[in-house]
Amino acid sequence: QKEVEQDPGPLSVPEGAIVSLNCTYSNSAFQYFMWYRQYSRKGPELLMYTYSSGNKEDGRFTAQVDKSSKYISLFIRDSQPSDSATYLCAMSQGAQKLVFGQGTRLTINP
Amino acid sequence: EAQVTQNPRYLITVTGKKLTVTCSQNMNHEYMSWYRQDPGLGLRQIYYSMNVEVTDKGDVPEGYKVSRKEKRNFPLILESPSPNQTSLYFCASSIGRGRVQGNQPQHFGDGTRLSIL
Repeated sequence: QKEVEQDPGPLSVPEGAIVSLNCTYSNSAFQYFMWYRQYSRKGPELLMYTYSSGNKEDGRFTAQVDKSSKYISLFIRDSQPSDSATYLCAMSQGAQKLVFGQGTRLTINP
Repeated sequence: EAQVTQNPRYLITVTGKKLTVTCSQNMNHEYMSWYRQDPGLGLRQIYYSMNVEVTDKGDVPEGYKVSRKEKRNFPLILESPSPNQTSLYFCASSIGRGRVQGNQPQHFGDGTRLSIL
């Protein structure tokens, strides 16, 4: 079993929809949770960073962490075609080892 | 402009021919790392460096070497490449400075696609 599971999709939604992206994990020691966005032929870019449980909001993006269920989510409101990308979740226990999900490919249709 | 620059972007080579992928960052970041990205496996860390002359293995270090002689550069060396090292490679950097959150990769290069025949 992988430490971090993420549905690779692809996920296709109409413009303006609310998108929900999710990851589950098995290691209860994970404390730091990240979401990265990766456009085609580009490197990942850090989108959201959360420590421990709770919610974090940044514009149209909301990250949620539920440590009791070992489940994290990224919500995108009012989705735009420019949000079309692969979204990677990642998490770590501490300073060094970062474990990534395999990414979900998202397409927003105009 | 804050950048992580990798070279080359694409390389096709043959088994056993030593190669180096360079990585340079212009943000004075302490922490740098190398990842490989494979379909179905996501990003896996190869090596990381907390600062100059400080490097350590990640999850998949076999067949790779790194060095960190200067803060800005973190080259990845494949001494004797093999076909199972065909992959997309990313270098990343972050501010570091001993804070846990400062070690999470913030800036990635645009990747190097290596094909080992």
